Amino acid sequence: GAGVSQTPSNKVTEKGKYVELRCDPISGHTALYWYRQSLGQGPEFLIYFQGTGAADDSGLPNDRFFAVRPEGSVSTLKIQRTERGDSAVYLCASSYDGLAANTGELFFGEGSRLTVL
Amino acid sequence: QKEVEQDPGPLSVPEGAIVSLNCTYSNSAFQYFMWYRQYSRKGPELLMYTYSSGNKEDGRFTAQVDKSSKYISLFIRDSQPSDSATYLCAIPQGAQKLVFGQGTRLTINP
Repeated sequence: GAGVSQTPSNKVTEKGKYVELRCDPISGHTALYWYRQSLGQGPEFLIYFQGTGAADDSGLPNDRFFAVRPEGSVSTLKIQRTERGDSAVYLCASSYDGLAANTGELFFGEGSRLTVL
Repeated sequence: QKEVEQDPGPLSVPEGAIVSLNCTYSNSAFQYFMWYRQYSRKGPELLMYTYSSGNKEDGRFTAQVDKSSKYISLFIRDSQPSDSATYLCAIPQGAQKLVFGQGTRLTINP
């Protein structure tokens, strides 16, 4: 596709439920990032994939959050036992080869807006 | 202390005004500095980047870095209603992640 695609665009769930958010990066981009953006805040780093492996997952807030990228393309962010504090926009971004290979340009999707009731 | 701090605004100015947006950062080792623009309900998009100190100009936009005071600025000349958005400063931390400021919400009034 032309850009980073994220689904669903909106997700409303109840506290305690399991949620999956999907990201389809730009074709050929080996680096994929997940960020979380709360209302009125800047994006907060969650996890970075280079190919299939999670090169840096230091931003995942706790073990309820997990992400996979099994074939080095599409990624899924999984949140277990959702809490109201998980409500935010989850942004996915990709780049050709990570930040070191360019000058910080990440291509972002429009985000998945998660609301936990 | 946050690594990157930015006044969240909101900032509202009339069309044609010069806009100044600013961030401060804590780590003197940072070398690259970016500005991203985010329209409502969209993802951020890279607007400008600069390396080390000095100015960089691109059309109506000028990015400025003052490493001695750890201060970065974005100036918008002849501001237009289409410039209304949230502006985020961002700094690469290592090779793997961007650290973003809080974002400044800007409105240009016709």
